[in-house]
Amino acid sequence: EPEVTQTPSHQVTQMGQEVILRCVPISNHLYFYWYRQILGQKVEFLVSFYNNEISEKSEIFDDQFSVERPDGSNFTLKIRSTKLEDSAMYFCASSDQGGDYGYTFGSGTRLTVV
Amino acid sequence: AQTVTQSQPEMSVQEAETVTLSCTYDTSESDYYLFWYKQPPSRQMILVIRQEAYKQQNATENRFSVNFQKAAKSFSLKISDSQLGDAAMYFCAYITDTGNQFYFGTGTSLTVIP
Repeated sequence: EPEVTQTPSHQVTQMGQEVILRCVPISNHLYFYWYRQILGQKVEFLVSFYNNEISEKSEIFDDQFSVERPDGSNFTLKIRSTKLEDSAMYFCASSDQGGDYGYTFGSGTRLTVV
Repeated sequence: AQTVTQSQPEMSVQEAETVTLSCTYDTSESDYYLFWYKQPPSRQMILVIRQEAYKQQNATENRFSVNFQKAAKSFSLKISDSQLGDAAMYFCAYITDTGNQFYFGTGTSLTVIP
């Protein structure tokens, strides 16, 4: 069964450093998403991406965040200057028909900011 | 505003028994979709079941079924013949038919007792 692949599975970074979280969505999917889950809390929407541009973003997704689909297969989330409160599990997801059919989620990247 | 509420932070069930997880939501939309996602200790989000709001018939997937009450804005998940592998965090989620983001509840942690 096709999978959404995320790398790395765990990343530790110093506060103020830039991090790039990588995702390879399912190859024929057209819609891409990033969500995050702070430990013990609900899963929160960050951003959706379609047709090479952001289609929707949440208040969490401020100027410190950016997304990119650099080569037609990867989908990245960049955090420019990490803060302690960015520590969370970050999930990438993709879908072929939009969210109303559900997403396929990746297994997540655990980001720890120290 | 769309909100999803799961009032049971923790539930437990004996193996082979049936358990029902509760979810309510708030929306002014008429067309939307509801989902249950399972998050085992591996942290990956796995789609369990999907319900279209315009369908009166409750969705079923093997041992998993829902009780969808549109007027009451209630969407509960019933797990029959519970198995040890069902132990996980279960999230209820909502998306409109034109939206790009899921709204998740805070989750219910299900323990299956052998």
